[in-house]
Amino acid sequence: AAGVIQSPRHLIKEKRETATLKCYPIPRHDTVYWYQQGPGQDPQFLISFYEKMQSDKGSIPDRFSAQQFSDYHSELNMSSLELGDSALYFCASSSRVTDTEAFFGQGTRLTVV
Amino acid sequence: GESVGLHLPTLSVQEGDNSIINCAYSNSASDYFIWYKQESGKGPQFIIDIRSNMDKRQGQRVTVLLNKTVKHLSLQIAATQPGDSAVYFCADFTGANSKLTFGKGITLSVRP
Repeated sequence: AAGVIQSPRHLIKEKRETATLKCYPIPRHDTVYWYQQGPGQDPQFLISFYEKMQSDKGSIPDRFSAQQFSDYHSELNMSSLELGDSALYFCASSSRVTDTEAFFGQGTRLTVV
Repeated sequence: GESVGLHLPTLSVQEGDNSIINCAYSNSASDYFIWYKQESGKGPQFIIDIRSNMDKRQGQRVTVLLNKTVKHLSLQIAATQPGDSAVYFCADFTGANSKLTFGKGITLSVRP
């Protein structure tokens, strides 16, 4: 079965650079979530989208922005990167229509140097 | 504020024994609760969920119990195996705003 696809899997950026993370949800899923997980930390909710509209917002820095496109894929844009942004970034998708649970991708490991 | 939290940070069990992982939550409006397993460097993997109008649900080797009176959730793993070693998270989900909130992870370590 198709799963949530995230790209890239690994990304190394320098401080103050910009990064874009992509998430392709499971087909026919209408909701996408983004989470940040630091080393040894719990996943922290950043933001979610339902039908291309922002659904909920968590602890997402102002330097970050995200959107969900017409094909339901989502991108997380991160600017003015800081060392503390180094983390695993997970995307999950679910379907509000069919009321499914959220399935996670394998994550993008971002390292800021 | 609302939170979902686990009682203990680590749990060590003997292979073959049953494991019980507990979780407390505070959001009474959650639609359902989910247990995830996360192995090192991987994304959280769905294990089992339970709707807020249920008190028990069984899967393969796993059982989730929900006690809404005391806002308590537990995951029982029967005949724990080395492959069960991972970090386990409970999470609560509210469908109205697609909000999925994770609790503190607990590390399950299985002794051979």
